[in-house]
Amino acid sequence: QAQLVESGGGLVKPGGSLRLSCAASGFTFSDYYMNWIRQAPGKGLEWVAHINSAGTTKFYADSVRGRFTISRDNAKNSLYLHMSSLRAEDTAVYYCAAGVAADYWGQGSLVAVSS
Amino acid sequence: DIVMTQSPDSLAVSLGERATINCTSSQSVLHSSNNKNFLGWYQQKPGQPPKLLIYWASTRESGVPDRFSGSGSGTDFTLTISSLQAEDVAVYYCQQYYGLPQTFGQGTKVEIK
Repeated sequence: QAQLVESGGGLVKPGGSLRLSCAASGFTFSDYYMNWIRQAPGKGLEWVAHINSAGTTKFYADSVRGRFTISRDNAKNSLYLHMSSLRAEDTAVYYCAAGVAADYWGQGSLVAVSS
Repeated sequence: DIVMTQSPDSLAVSLGERATINCTSSQSVLHSSNNKNFLGWYQQKPGQPPKLLIYWASTRESGVPDRFSGSGSGTDFTLTISSLQAEDVAVYYCQQYYGLPQTFGQGTKVEIK
């Protein structure tokens, strides 16, 4: 059974940095495009970033480009999101999701940006 | 960016009745290379992550009850719940994965009347 488990969220001050991790199991991680998708409290879904199966192609939403970096380690079945220069509007639950159409989702990791 | 617009924002349907959610994209999401619509539907229940129900606009994900169906092509799509059950109370989102950035509709909240 496919499983994705996010970790690394928490409370951070504006301008700070944080790294999210996503551990995958139960499917062939190295075959899948991977995404980070976020959801601000009480709001809808916002796609954040995407990386291809080999880790050679990455795309970002305009709202995070230049501040966030997506990466993966296929040997460790893991996906990462390094977030820097964090703003209050980055406060959200961050989900990792597998697939071009997001077949599998993690439970999410809450990132709160506040002074 | 491709803008996805859902209607209505919310709807209340009696148990056993049909629920219909519409989704319109600002440009076609039909890819000429494979004649597939790059459109998915997700269900999100309170406190849970979204769950993929439908992909390629009309293909039901494994394990999804057959009361859920997707239709449409190009720019206009529909998710239908043929006979609403209590466990279907949720917010439903459409998403295009034709182009980057991938974009979602604003969501439609389905409740029991």
